[in-house]
Amino acid sequence: EAGVAQSPRYKIIEKRQSVAFWCNPISGHATLYWYQQILGQGPKLLIQFQNNGVVDDSQLPKDRFSAERLKGVDSTLKIQPAKLEDSAVYLCASSLDRGRETQYFGPGTRLLVL
Amino acid sequence: GQSLEQPSEVTAVEGAIVQINCTYQTSGFYGLSWYQQHDGGAPTFLSYNALDGLEETGRFSSFLSRSDSYGYLLLQELQMKDSASYFCAVPQTGANNLFFGTGTRLTVIP
Repeated sequence: EAGVAQSPRYKIIEKRQSVAFWCNPISGHATLYWYQQILGQGPKLLIQFQNNGVVDDSQLPKDRFSAERLKGVDSTLKIQPAKLEDSAVYLCASSLDRGRETQYFGPGTRLLVL
Repeated sequence: GQSLEQPSEVTAVEGAIVQINCTYQTSGFYGLSWYQQHDGGAPTFLSYNALDGLEETGRFSSFLSRSDSYGYLLLQELQMKDSASYFCAVPQTGANNLFFGTGTRLTVIP
């Protein structure tokens, strides 16, 4: 079974530029999550999708971050414009049903904002 | 709000046993999860405890005491490859997603 795929793996941009990350969850997983992980910290949830609907985006900085999952499968996360403090690893995860127990993470995208 | 407390760093000798503790404060508790993350890698699921007691999976065991709002991850017969960060996590209040602790960095030395 293929795992969660993410691209790109690394991205370096200058502040005020835009960037987009892509995620393909495990086949059949209805729930998809985007997390931000700052160095030395645990993953912090940004947004959760159930199929193509947003379940929780309470911690998403909506003035600069946006995400979509149009067909209930792939998802993109965008930052526009980026700030220095956005430097982090952006992790995508998926789960079959209740994400309270087991979530499967992708390798992440390491973003460096200069 | 929610909070999770775990030690920031632990060092142990290869072949030994180590216990990583996690205390939590949350409303509507469902269970405690543990994830392992190697440097530069993705978090991977280790265990989930919904009920009090010990769950064993090979060299790893996880324990939960709901009355004490406390759990731990026990790693036996430590190997060098166990050097990683270990995160405890609880479901966010009223949600089907997870709130992660800040992680414990385990270093296994020869």
